[in-house]
Amino acid sequence: GESVGLHLPTLSVQEGDNSIINCAYSNSASDYFIWYKQESGKGPQFIIDIRSNMDKRQGQRVTVLLNKTVKHLSLQIAATQPGDSAVYFCAENRPSGSARQLTFGSGTQLTVLP
Amino acid sequence: GAGVSQSPSNKVTEKGKDVELRCDPISGHTALYWYRQRLGQGLEFLIYFQGNSAPDKSGLPSDRFSAERTGESVSTLTIQRTQQEDSAVYLCASTRQVNTEAFFGQGTRLTVV
Repeated sequence: GESVGLHLPTLSVQEGDNSIINCAYSNSASDYFIWYKQESGKGPQFIIDIRSNMDKRQGQRVTVLLNKTVKHLSLQIAATQPGDSAVYFCAENRPSGSARQLTFGSGTQLTVLP
Repeated sequence: GAGVSQSPSNKVTEKGKDVELRCDPISGHTALYWYRQRLGQGLEFLIYFQGNSAPDKSGLPSDRFSAERTGESVSTLTIQRTQQEDSAVYLCASTRQVNTEAFFGQGTRLTVV
């Protein structure tokens, strides 16, 4: 299954299935994107990043896809495990004058069902 | 230090009091960010430091909020005359340079009663 949008939706998947979490970003000038995982009561943890000169990057069990044409980012988690249950946030490094503003989407709650 | 450290981890304060939240970034990280996270919601950008300068203060919700950074290290976020709507987790993150991974602290949970 997959979820779309910047509001906090909930995505439930069966253990062992693949998960796809989607994110729409706002600024076409953003040049760096990160996915974070946040478990209850903890700060966000880095999962994977991608620069705007790439359209795909793979990590261990995770893949990030970037579609600059439609300003869309997705996170694919292979063989989802119970430990993957968390809120997932995408973040874009958005130019702000001479600075950069690391801006987050609202997140997606992923629940892995046994 | 080994990671981003925030203190206190929890703070309960009475409405109208001032509070000061502290962030110790990873040594050598030039950029520092403050975010606010209300329960069940995303991360709301507050302010960003590059060195000791804050090029982007656009996210500060009101003039009751201020922040400073000294020695290109520790940062404090001050909330004056706290209101109940200020209750949230305040997260700090630091990055070595622009367009690199941001490391987060565990946050300060602020409750205004």
